[in-house]
Amino acid sequence: DAKTTQPTSMDCAEGRAANLPCNHSTISGNEYVYWYRQIHSQGPQYIIHGLKNNETNEMASLIITEDRKSSTLILPHATLRDTAVYYCIVRVESGGFKTIFGAGTRLFVKA
Amino acid sequence: DVKVTQSSRYLVKRTGEKVFLECVQDMDHENMFWYRQDPGLGLRLIYFSYDVKMKEKGDIPEGYSVSREKKERFSLILESASTNQTSMYLCASSTLEGWQYFGPGTRLTVT
Repeated sequence: DAKTTQPTSMDCAEGRAANLPCNHSTISGNEYVYWYRQIHSQGPQYIIHGLKNNETNEMASLIITEDRKSSTLILPHATLRDTAVYYCIVRVESGGFKTIFGAGTRLFVKA
Repeated sequence: DVKVTQSSRYLVKRTGEKVFLECVQDMDHENMFWYRQDPGLGLRLIYFSYDVKMKEKGDIPEGYSVSREKKERFSLILESASTNQTSMYLCASSTLEGWQYFGPGTRLTVT
């Protein structure tokens, strides 16, 4: 599975959009981009995933560049409860057992 | 609502004890996973199972074994607990194609 690179930490003001970048320059054609987050002392939580089209759900939007070498997770109106570690993962859709969690980005949402 | 439950949130055991960590999912998922999470090391896969009575080693299986006698239940066993197995243990389940749902975690301390 392709490796991902994310910033170690980011800050965001409450109510503003949080844009979390992820680089995955070695992504293969059949690999999806997945995002999870982990709030302190809880298990990771799935957020969203996509292949090449942009995706949106009730939690976030996922923007994937045309060459698929990078993506951005967007939390449109960040709240204090969005403070968490966000993981960007690439893997084939049927390869759940190959989900490799890196260090992620620690997002601090500030009042 | 989908649910992955783990038998304990906190557990304290002595060195040399046999430890059982239980995980139950109510989503009829084929895949189940055990991870451990340590500061600076992220989530590391210990074992996973893709069907009843089937298991595969993950990245760090040494010192652990697993059991999956029923589809909904996946147990992690520490045959003889050691202090270096003090960690947060996370269970997850998924469909063949889908993302993983995580339990709340068990924080195990071995003294």
